Amino acid sequence: EAGVAQSPRYKIIEKRQSVAFWCNPISGHATLYWYQQILGQGPKLLIQFQNNGVVDDSQLPKDRFSAERLKGVDSTLKIQPAKLEDSAVYLCASSLEARVTQYFGPGTRLLVL
Amino acid sequence: GIQVEQSPPDLILQEGANSTLRCNFSDSVNNLQWFHQNPWGQLINLFYIPSGTKQNGRLSATTVATERYSLLYISSSQTTDSGVYFCAVARNSGNTPLVFGKGTRLSVIA
Repeated sequence: EAGVAQSPRYKIIEKRQSVAFWCNPISGHATLYWYQQILGQGPKLLIQFQNNGVVDDSQLPKDRFSAERLKGVDSTLKIQPAKLEDSAVYLCASSLEARVTQYFGPGTRLLVL
Repeated sequence: GIQVEQSPPDLILQEGANSTLRCNFSDSVNNLQWFHQNPWGQLINLFYIPSGTKQNGRLSATTVATERYSLLYISSSQTTDSGVYFCAVARNSGNTPLVFGKGTRLSVIA
């Protein structure tokens, strides 16, 4: 079974630019998560989708971050405009349903200069 | 929010040694997962273990939910076990998200 796919794997942008990340979860997984992992820390949940609906986005900086999962399958996370402190690894994960084992993608490493 | 503390923060082992990693949490949970993040950044789920004991090869985990801690045991460590081990928990109410600890960085040397 294919794992969680993410692209791009690396991205370097200048502050105030915009960037978008893409995630394709494991087939059949209803729940999709976006996490931000800053160097030396554990992942922090940004947003959780159940099918195409948002379950939790309490830690998403909504003034600059947005995410969608229009057809309940793949998802995009966008940052506009980026700040230096957004430099991090953005991880996508999926699970069959909420509150069970989560499977992570390889992540996108973002560097904001 | 719920607090997750992992210990030790860093651990260096000789290949073949055994180790115990600890995760303490501050509230009742109904979701606890252990992950291994390899040196290339990939997070791998090791156990979904909100309570009880599970074993998978050289790894085993025990969660004592009533005392709010979980332990991850690594036996006969190998260099490929190196990386960061994270404990993540979700509070026992509603649909609260997983909260990760800061991790234990394990280095296994040959």
